[in-house]
Amino acid sequence: EVQLVQSGAEVKKPGESLKISCKGSGYSFTSYWIGWVRQMPGKGLEWMGIIYPGDSDTRYSPSFQGQVTISADKSISTAYLQWSSLKASDTAMYYCARTHSSPTYNWFDPWGQGTLVTVSS
Amino acid sequence: SSELTQDPAVSVALGQTVRITCQGDSLRSYYASWYQQKPGQAPVLVIYGKNNRPSGIPDRFSGSSSGNTASLTITGAQAEDEADYYCNSRDSSGNPWVFGGGTKLTVL
Repeated sequence: EVQLVQSGAEVKKPGESLKISCKGSGYSFTSYWIGWVRQMPGKGLEWMGIIYPGDSDTRYSPSFQGQVTISADKSISTAYLQWSSLKASDTAMYYCARTHSSPTYNWFDPWGQGTLVTVSS
Repeated sequence: SSELTQDPAVSVALGQTVRITCQGDSLRSYYASWYQQKPGQAPVLVIYGKNNRPSGIPDRFSGSSSGNTASLTITGAQAEDEADYYCNSRDSSGNPWVFGGGTKLTVL
């Protein structure tokens, strides 16, 4: 079974750093892009960026460039999303998703279960 | 940048057919994919490409596209279809980071 399993919920203070993870299993982790998606409380889905674990090629949505860092460790089939200095506005649910592409469309399947990040003083 | 526009809310009577639409310039060049999200759960892929359903998705879900509009149709809506639905496509640079704002489907 193809699965993405994310790390558990986090409660942090503003200014702290954080790294959350997404571990893939049941498929060749280095052969598919992994994307990260933010969902703020009561709001819609927002793409943050994607990484190709095979060579660590990484692309960021313009809205998130410079705000977060996406990385991967292919030796343990794990992708990461990290912040160097959290803000209260980073409070959200974060999902990872395996990304598939064809010339005229892309799709995301499966998704991780989500990691809730709460930033509060 | 590219945007995708969805109606915020749609309702359908149990057993009837409902169409959820997604509009955007990028849809003239790229197909959409569609995701169902129920409260407290991660999104689930329901339709991708021209009209492809992942394994396990009921055949009452179908997709279509015309001009700048992609549509998700549920034929014979069930109570368990009540959820938020999001479309996704590419931006003008071919990057996959465009989501619609989501449509809340209520099954009456």
